[in-house]
Amino acid sequence: AQSVTQPDIHITVSEGASLELRCNYSYGATPYLFWYVQSPGQGLQLLLKYFSGDTLVQGIKGFEAEFKRSQSSFNLRKPSVHWSDAAEYFCAVGARGNTGKLIFGQGTTLQVKP
Amino acid sequence: GAGVSQSPSNKVTEKGKDVELRCDPISGHTALYWYRQSLGQGLEFLIYFQGNSAPDKSGLPSDRFSAERTGGSVSTLTIQRTQQEDSAVYLCASSLARDPDTQYFGPGTRLTVL
Repeated sequence: AQSVTQPDIHITVSEGASLELRCNYSYGATPYLFWYVQSPGQGLQLLLKYFSGDTLVQGIKGFEAEFKRSQSSFNLRKPSVHWSDAAEYFCAVGARGNTGKLIFGQGTTLQVKP
Repeated sequence: GAGVSQSPSNKVTEKGKDVELRCDPISGHTALYWYRQSLGQGLEFLIYFQGNSAPDKSGLPSDRFSAERTGGSVSTLTIQRTQQEDSAVYLCASSLARDPDTQYFGPGTRLTVL
């Protein structure tokens, strides 16, 4: 069965510091992988996605993520965090083949210290 | 352009009452999804509509939950005889048929069952 694990429930970083949010997935083949961000009271916004090709994908707001098949990981990174990045981040996996269903991790809450 | 919209944004109801939650997908998106976001359960897939195909209802937690999609556009999620454990944020998403895994989310409806 597909599953997604985000090991860190809560992370605090200082503004300007680098960020890495971890995501590990379990899936029988190469899945589609996503990162979403949710600000308080808002819906989910797609940050980036990986379907195939280059394993380093660039997203919006200066985020990037790297797909590592050997580690079943898709970690999200940002070189310099801004206070406005404080939010909850969700990693998700989708099955190839048009099933439509996304499986989400439990989310990581990011707090940014001034 | 307009994103996915949901109404109401908040709904408070009494245990045992029926509720209807509405979702307007992005124009031209043929796929529509419902998810539930609750404390302790994270984001759970509920149901998926794709064009005129039979919906994937595999995520509906009980027969008190149902959804329909009229005219291939607007969708209504109905919860009958609400229970306190139904309290959650219900998120709707839509996507293009040619890219079903890239889902765009609405702001959600927060349901509180007293």
